[in-house]
Amino acid sequence: SSELTQDPAVSVALGQTVRITCQGDSLRSYYASWFQQKPGQAPVLVIYHRDNRPSGIPDRFSGSSSGNTASLTITGAQAEDEADYYCNSRDSSGNHRVFGGGTRLTVL
Amino acid sequence: QVQLQESGPGLVKPSQTLSLTCTVSGGSISSGGYYWSWIRQHPGKGLEWIGYIYYSGNTYYNSSLKSRVTISVDTSKNQFSLKLSSVTAADTAVYYCARDVVSYGSVDYWGQGTLVTVSS
Repeated sequence: SSELTQDPAVSVALGQTVRITCQGDSLRSYYASWFQQKPGQAPVLVIYHRDNRPSGIPDRFSGSSSGNTASLTITGAQAEDEADYYCNSRDSSGNHRVFGGGTRLTVL
Repeated sequence: QVQLQESGPGLVKPSQTLSLTCTVSGGSISSGGYYWSWIRQHPGKGLEWIGYIYYSGNTYYNSSLKSRVTISVDTSKNQFSLKLSSVTAADTAVYYCARDVVSYGSVDYWGQGTLVTVSS
């Protein structure tokens, strides 16, 4: 399968921890990356290769993976973390990319 | 720091070909280790991978668009391009060019995106 499935919406109280998940068969073979997108802006890479953070991304963002599920965890969510989050990986062929449908995170 | 900038018409008529160019600065397309990608986002919807090209010219396309998509590269101009033929209103979207790191299996840099509307 070349699909990645995400929950459409998740909410978290300010300062609490939230996990956003991404499921797909290809995740058993390939790492996921995660993007944050705020309205009117291009996506920004927050996690790559399962659990690596690019320079400039706060360490409250972390990634993990188990079986067919990849997770993005925000520990101590801030108001500025309210955004859409997309997972991304290779499809089963390994040559193509596929995105999850996105999760809208609301910080209460 | 690498920067990518999309350019091209913002309005395309139905049945015509959508053509966009991405100009890369701050790095060479020919340096290897990267795929040069096109990704789109329909209004209010999620991200859709269109395809990518390696500097050598090898291309990979989304199977759902493959019959209509061509991605090419011009290393002399440090640019790569997207052509999408026989467009309909369903191709109205923000189109992003991006750099995809082969070893990461992920995009790291994105262009700002350009809205292309298909309408007569």
